[in-house]
Amino acid sequence: NAGVTQTPKFRVLKTGQSMTLLCAQDMNHEYMYWYRQDPGMGLRLIHYSVGEGTTAKGEVPDGYNVSRLKKQNFLLGLESAAPSQTSVYFCASRQQGWMETQYFGPGTRLLVL
Amino acid sequence: AQSVTQLDSHVSVSEGTPVLLRCNYSSSYSPSLFWYVQHPNKGLQLLLKYTSAATLVKGINGFEAEFKKSETSFHLTKPSAHMSDAAEYFCVVSDRGGGADGLTFGKGTHLIIQP
Repeated sequence: NAGVTQTPKFRVLKTGQSMTLLCAQDMNHEYMYWYRQDPGMGLRLIHYSVGEGTTAKGEVPDGYNVSRLKKQNFLLGLESAAPSQTSVYFCASRQQGWMETQYFGPGTRLLVL
Repeated sequence: AQSVTQLDSHVSVSEGTPVLLRCNYSSSYSPSLFWYVQHPNKGLQLLLKYTSAATLVKGINGFEAEFKKSETSFHLTKPSAHMSDAAEYFCVVSDRGGGADGLTFGKGTHLIIQP
């Protein structure tokens, strides 16, 4: 039982390049989330999903796209990376229900030059 | 609408002394409250959570928190700090009105342990 895993752990991009971050969970959770963490700003929600085939915007969705083609995977895409997207990205999942615990992946550190 | 305020951005204590990290919340419903810990370059790990059962919640690594509805607080405490407790701590609120994205994170408290 690996929990929540993220690929890659670290990446350097040039401005304008694209990439996809992969999140996988093996807990059969309905809900999945992508956050970004920046110094002094806590965690901010980018996009989330309440089930396979569904996605929704969070607090800071601009510049990102997501897909949830399989229940266990949640992909975060950057079509044209910008330096402002330099951040640490965390994926999380939880079971349906407002009392349920959110489980986090180890993070992906992204540097956009 | 829900909100969370972590009253201190940084807390510094000496090893072996008590730890107090303060969290106040607002919620239109009876909330669930969580404390997470994030060690440097790691993901967030659940320390403990409150879900309307006992108001004093015990977590991992000797931490506990008390839900006080009258004070809308959920402060995190530990009797004796250890060097390994140095980390970032996040208070989180969730309630039935929030929906799937209805978790609100505090800005975090950086705990520094002095030797």
